Amino acid sequence: AQSVTQLDSQVPVFEEAPVELRCNYSSSVSVYLFWYVQYPNQGLQLLLKYLSGSTLVKGINGFEAEFNKSQTSFHLRKPSVHISDTAEYFCAVSYTNAGKSTFGDGTTLTVKP
Amino acid sequence: EAGVAQSPRYKIIEKRQSVAFWCNPISGHATLYWYQQILGQGPKLLIQFQNNGVVDDSQLPKDRFSAERLKGVDSTLKIQPAKLEDSAVYLCASSHRAALTDEQFFGPGTRLTVL
Repeated sequence: AQSVTQLDSQVPVFEEAPVELRCNYSSSVSVYLFWYVQYPNQGLQLLLKYLSGSTLVKGINGFEAEFNKSQTSFHLRKPSVHISDTAEYFCAVSYTNAGKSTFGDGTTLTVKP
Repeated sequence: EAGVAQSPRYKIIEKRQSVAFWCNPISGHATLYWYQQILGQGPKLLIQFQNNGVVDDSQLPKDRFSAERLKGVDSTLKIQPAKLEDSAVYLCASSHRAALTDEQFFGPGTRLTVL
């Protein structure tokens, strides 16, 4: 069965420090990969997505992610975080053989001053 | 453009009662999704509509949950009767098409508490 694993449920980090949120998925078949962010009391919104082409994808708010097919990973990174980046981050994978998307359980990023 | 609208934002009911949630997707979006998000977990797809037809309802507990999308626009999700384990945030999302490459646009969700 297709699955998405976000390896860290909570990531505390100080402001202006770099951060990496990890995401692994279960299958090496053709996939499309997404990162969504959920701010408190708001709906999820798209940060970035990988469909094809360059494995390094840049998104909004200075975030980027790298698709690694051999390691079935799609880790999210930001070189310098701000207090406003405090939110829940969800990795989602669309498995072409299943015709549906699966979300990870989320990583809570807390940026401290 | 206006986003995905959901109501109510919060609902508290007792077990065995009924409840209904409403969703108005982004205008022109053919695909509508209902997700259940239990605390500490990611969104789990309950049902997916393409226009007013059901594409996937494999994870919808059909003995108590029902959903409809009349005229291919608004949608209603109903739970009857509710159980304690139904306490969750119910998210509605829409996308332009049903393509796996499409971004999904999410509403703010309805937080349901079953006592």
